[in-house]
Amino acid sequence: QVQLVESGGGVVQPGGSLSLSCAASGITFSNYGMHWVRQTPGQGLEWVASIRSDGTRKYYADSVKGRFTISRDNSKNTLSLEMNSLRVEDTSVYYCAGAVPPGLWGQGTLVTVSS
Amino acid sequence: DIQMTQSPSSLSASVGDRVSITCRASQDIRNDLGWYQQKPGKAPKRLIYATSTLQSGVPSRFSGSGSGTEFTLTISSLQPEDFATYYCLQNNTYPLTFGGGTKVEVK
Repeated sequence: QVQLVESGGGVVQPGGSLSLSCAASGITFSNYGMHWVRQTPGQGLEWVASIRSDGTRKYYADSVKGRFTISRDNSKNTLSLEMNSLRVEDTSVYYCAGAVPPGLWGQGTLVTVSS
Repeated sequence: DIQMTQSPSSLSASVGDRVSITCRASQDIRNDLGWYQQKPGKAPKRLIYATSTLQSGVPSRFSGSGSGTEFTLTISSLQPEDFATYYCLQNNTYPLTFGGGTKVEVK
């Protein structure tokens, strides 16, 4: 069946870095635009970044531009999010999502930025 | 950036009630709008895309309408499993933007 599984979340200090991965199965990954969406516990959804199916175009929220990098490896059915210069306000559950608008969702991975 | 204003932020309703949630876009987004349902501790679930197209497997009591800048999600007869938070999302222009959410609670 269709599955998106995120990994890589954890606790990191402000200014630190973390790399998230999303492994896709059950779909032709290379056909799908992919996204990262985050949600601070108890708050609403915030779009973070998107990448086209062929990886040629990337889009970022202003809040993460210059600090986060989205990438994909269609040969490995994997989506990634490299997060640098992390801030306390980046603390959230990060979801990997596929299709436009996002119709396939992973279960989320928690990133906590705290000293 | 396109702002999505969702209302109400919460509502109380009973099983069997007809419920409507509205999203207003700060500019024309044609029909590039989706609706999502989220339950506590779970990932969002897409209910509707392209304003009115029902996601496969979603009950027909859910419907979407609108165009341009004003959109509505309607639940024709609220069921116990429908108590959740609902979000709209515009996918017309990057950055993608979500509405603030509507929490549907038991009256």
